[in-house]
Amino acid sequence: GNSVTQMEGPVTLSEEAFLTINCTYTATGYPSLFWYVQYPGEGLQLLLKATKADDKGSNKGFEATYRKETTSFHLEKGSVQVSDSAVYFCALSDLSKAAGNKLTFGGGTRVLVKP
Amino acid sequence: NAGVTQTPKFRVLKTGQSMTLLCAQDMNHEYMYWYRQDPGMGLRLIHYSVGEGTTAKGEVPDGYNVSRLKKQNFLLGLESAAPSQTSVYFCASSYSHNEQFFGPGTRLTVL
Repeated sequence: GNSVTQMEGPVTLSEEAFLTINCTYTATGYPSLFWYVQYPGEGLQLLLKATKADDKGSNKGFEATYRKETTSFHLEKGSVQVSDSAVYFCALSDLSKAAGNKLTFGGGTRVLVKP
Repeated sequence: NAGVTQTPKFRVLKTGQSMTLLCAQDMNHEYMYWYRQDPGMGLRLIHYSVGEGTTAKGEVPDGYNVSRLKKQNFLLGLESAAPSQTSVYFCASSYSHNEQFFGPGTRLTVL
């Protein structure tokens, strides 16, 4: 079946540092890939997505590239802010309508940015 | 446009009690989902629905039932709550291959 593995946290950084969160996946076919962010006390919000190989998703200074050859979708940001403190989830969608386009999530990575 | 809403926000139950969590969306989405979030385990799919009147089991369906009588609503029921069902529950909805939109969550404690 499908699976997503992401680095365990917590990741603690200073403001303006470079952030990388690794994500690798196992899936049949060509899934879409997502990064969701969860701020304290809130639900998940889509951060960015990529739907095919070599696509780069970007939003709010975050980027991730769909690498089919390495089955990876690593999240990066060049200069983090305190407001980026959150839990980040990597996910994939099996794109099967009959199966409800279900998402498979990684375990989440907590990021703490200190001033 | 409220998006996805969930009620209640918090609930404490005793073992054996029953309750229903309500999810509502105003985006006319076909697909709706119920997840539970536990520390270190990410989100796990409980049940989902691909349209009004249809439901299907997800990864962890035992101890839960669902109903989708109206397109905009997706109910999650616990018939006899157990401490293992202490969790944060999230509802989500989506249209076709697009992103899922999540509600704010319900924090449930079973004593």
